[in-house]
Order: sequence, then structure tokens, then C-alpha cells
Amino acid sequence: AQSVTQLDSHVSVSEGTPVLLRCNYSSSYSPSLFWYVQHPNKGLQLLLKYTSAATLVKGINGFEAEFKKSETSFHLTKPSAHMSDAAEYFCVVSQGAQKLVFGQGTRLTINP
Amino acid sequence: DAGVIQSPRHEVTEMGQEVTLRCKPISGHNSLFWYRQTMMRGLELLIYFNNNVPIDDSGMPEDRFSAKMPNASFSTLKIQPSEPRDSAVYFCASSSPSIGAHRDTQYFGPGTRLTVL
Repeated sequence: AQSVTQLDSHVSVSEGTPVLLRCNYSSSYSPSLFWYVQHPNKGLQLLLKYTSAATLVKGINGFEAEFKKSETSFHLTKPSAHMSDAAEYFCVVSQGAQKLVFGQGTRLTINP
Repeated sequence: DAGVIQSPRHEVTEMGQEVTLRCKPISGHNSLFWYRQTMMRGLELLIYFNNNVPIDDSGMPEDRFSAKMPNASFSTLKIQPSEPRDSAVYFCASSSPSIGAHRDTQYFGPGTRLTVL
């Protein structure tokens, strides 16, 4: 069965500094991987998606993630944090064609 | 384009009452998913439909929960009778298997926050 582990439940960075949210996955075959963001009291918005076309995936709002098969990782990065990036971030693996398995989430706090 | 639409956005009810949550998927999407989000358990898939047919309901917690999809543009999730432990945010999502880069990508609605007193 597929699973994801988000290594940090909470990350705090200063505005303008880099963001790194870590995710490791477990999958018995080549997975589809996603990052979703959830702002307070809002639904989930897709940031980016990996489906084996390229290991470095660029998403919305300046985020990107790199798929590393040897490390079974799919970390999310952004060069410079903005106050509006404060939210909960979920790493997700596709289990089969349509079932998604969510990580527990990482809460990102941006300090002025 | 309108995204996934859910109603109501907030629902407060008393234990024992029937609760019905509603979802309208994105037009053209043929897969629909119901999720529940709680602090303790995170995001859990309850049930999903393909072409209006329930495919996997293994996540439905118990017989008090039921879901229907009478047509391609509408689905309901019903809880009868409701209990305080059902308090959560319920999300609906939809996807399509055949639209290019967005193939099989799930798009979420804003959620319904349910409080059972």
C-alpha cells in the first residue's frame, strides 16, 4: 500500500527566506505525487503534480518539488516566502488510479 | 469555470438529527469523491463514484452514513442519525480521466463544516 510521511508538522520561516517542506513516500510502483495547500477555512488547492514526465515539477505561486526515487522523497520548496504562503500543506500519493492517500500535513508559518 | 460547489458551508445540528450534505462536481468530470477532515484523523476518503456508480465505500464509517449520486451533476452525503463524533469538515472533490495534464487530478470544493451538538 502507498503512504506518505510529512517529516515536519510545523515549519516557521521569515518572510523572504527559503521554504522547505519535506515529504517521503512509500509506493510499490511508480507513483503519482501531489502537493495541495489549504488556507484557513478553505478547501484544498492543487499546487503541483508529479506523474513521471520530469523529476522537477513547477507549480503555482513559485513552488516546486523534486522527485527523488533513490531517496523516496518529494520535498516542496520555494526560494522566497511570502506572508500569503501561510497555510497547511499536504503531500499526497495516488494509490491506484484514483484513491489519494494524504500525509498528516505541515503547517507553514511566515514571520514578518 | 465554476469549481466544485458544496452546500451548506456550515451546518449545526443536534444529535440524532438527519444531516444531508450536497455537492455539485465540475461539469464534465465523471469521478466524485467524499472526504472527511478531522484533527485526529486528518483527511480520509469516505467513498467515490465513477460515472455515478459507487466504486469504493470502504471508508464510510458505519451504516449511519450513506451517499448517492443520482446524476452526473449532483451527489449527497447523508448522516442519519448524527452523533457528536461526526463533527468534521466534509469535502467533495471531482476529477476526470481524460483531460490532458489534469487527468485524474482531484479538485476540491470549499467544504461543509458540520457541528453536531
